[in-house]
Amino acid sequence: DGGITQSPKYLFRKEGQNVTLSCEQNLNHDAMYWYRQDPGQGLRLIYYSQIVNDFQKGDIAEGYSVSREKKESFPLTVTSAQKNPTAFYLCASSTGGRASGELFFGEGSRLTVL
Amino acid sequence: AQSVSQHNHHVILSEAASLELGCNYSYGGTVNLFWYVQYPGQHLQLLLKYFSGDPLVKGIKGFEAEFIKSKFSFNLRKPSVQWSDTAEYFCAVNPGYSTLTFGKGTMLLVSP
Repeated sequence: DGGITQSPKYLFRKEGQNVTLSCEQNLNHDAMYWYRQDPGQGLRLIYYSQIVNDFQKGDIAEGYSVSREKKESFPLTVTSAQKNPTAFYLCASSTGGRASGELFFGEGSRLTVL
Repeated sequence: AQSVSQHNHHVILSEAASLELGCNYSYGGTVNLFWYVQYPGQHLQLLLKYFSGDPLVKGIKGFEAEFIKSKFSFNLRKPSVQWSDTAEYFCAVNPGYSTLTFGKGTMLLVSP
């Protein structure tokens, strides 16, 4: 089945530690996205990539980093500089272009920083 | 930058009641409009979309939405809800080929 796989599903970390969330897609989509979902806040864009080896900051990029070395993979690192990292993180992909609003989402990764 | 406003954060309905969830956006140009749904324990998925043409669009599971350009609105409707419609609903917009901007979501609870 084609889709987006995020791992891990749940992650606990201590303050001050960097963590990396994995996102892999086998949909052959060019564009990939990371969103953060907080209760009552909707989804906010962290980073996105429209093509391999290129990515752009979204609305809340501070304290996060990404890479896009392969078309299928778009890992997100939550660094110690992120002031409030506990959240639900969603990865998505699209074919891009005119369909850039038609996103396919993974099941999410819930990060809790203790 | 565009923004999206969803009128209700929580809606509680009985089965068979009619549903209308409000969504307004702010952007001066042409936009593409979407409704996404997140059922409990499931991933977020596209419910319906509007790019151009007939302003009344139909989606999955009997949902429809009407684009009213003069009101900058894209309200979601369903004539008769079911318990299985319990979910969180997100309105989203993107101008042209840019990234999506989501509203804050509306949690719908349908009681049997």
